[in-house]
Amino acid sequence: EIVMTQSPATLSVSPGEGATLSCRTSQSVGTNLAWYHQKPGQAPRLLIYGASTTATGVPARFSGSGSGTDFTLTISSLQSEDFAVYYCQQYDNWPPLTFGPGTKVEIK
Amino acid sequence: QVQLVESGGGVVQPGTSLRLSCAASGFTFSSFGMHWVRQAPGKGLEWVASIIYDGSNKYYVDSVKGRFTISRDNSKNTLYLQMNSLRAEDTSVYYCAKDQHPVPAAIWGQGTLVTVSS
Repeated sequence: EIVMTQSPATLSVSPGEGATLSCRTSQSVGTNLAWYHQKPGQAPRLLIYGASTTATGVPARFSGSGSGTDFTLTISSLQSEDFAVYYCQQYDNWPPLTFGPGTKVEIK
Repeated sequence: QVQLVESGGGVVQPGTSLRLSCAASGFTFSSFGMHWVRQAPGKGLEWVASIIYDGSNKYYVDSVKGRFTISRDNSKNTLYLQMNSLRAEDTSVYYCAKDQHPVPAAIWGQGTLVTVSS
C-alpha cells in the first residue's frame, strides 16, 4: 500500500496571499496524483490530476507540480471560497486507492 | 450534468446490516468504474470499495472484506453497498464516486451518513 503524507497539517493564510501545500508518497507514483478540496459539509471536489493538469472549471489560481514522490499544490491568491481542507490522492498503484491526511487552509 | 445521489444511511446497532444506494444520472453509467469512499466524523477520506464498469471485478479495503459487498445494476443506473456485521468504526459519511479518466473516484456525490451505535 502506498502511504501518503501531507504538510503542513494546518496553514493559516490571509485572503489574497498565496499558499503552498505539500504531498509525499511512500513510493513513486509517477504523475498519477490528484488534489481535491473539501469545504465543510460538502463532498470533495477534484482540482488537479496528473499532478499538474487543472480539472474542468477550476480557477487558474490553482496549480500543481511534482512527480515521483514529492508534489506541490499552489494557490496563487486565496479567495474566501478556498479556505477548506485539501487532500492528495494517488492512483498509480491501486487498490487500495489512498489519500493523504489532509491540509486545512484557514483564515489568518 | 453528472449527478450522484446516495441514500440508505441511518442509525443502526452494531452487528446489523444496511444497504446504501447511489442513483447516477447525466452520464453513461454502464461505461464507468464506480467507488465508495467514506469519511468518519472529523477525519480524512478512506477508500472502501470499487467495481469496474460491468461489475465483473470488485475490490475492497481490508477492513471491510467479508462484510461489505459492492454491486451495480446498470439497467437502473444504480450503485449499491451492502454492509453487514456493522461496527462502531464503520460510522462515517459514505460517498459514491465515479471515474473520470484517468482518475478513479474523481466525481463525488453528496454522501449519506451511517451511524453505528447501541
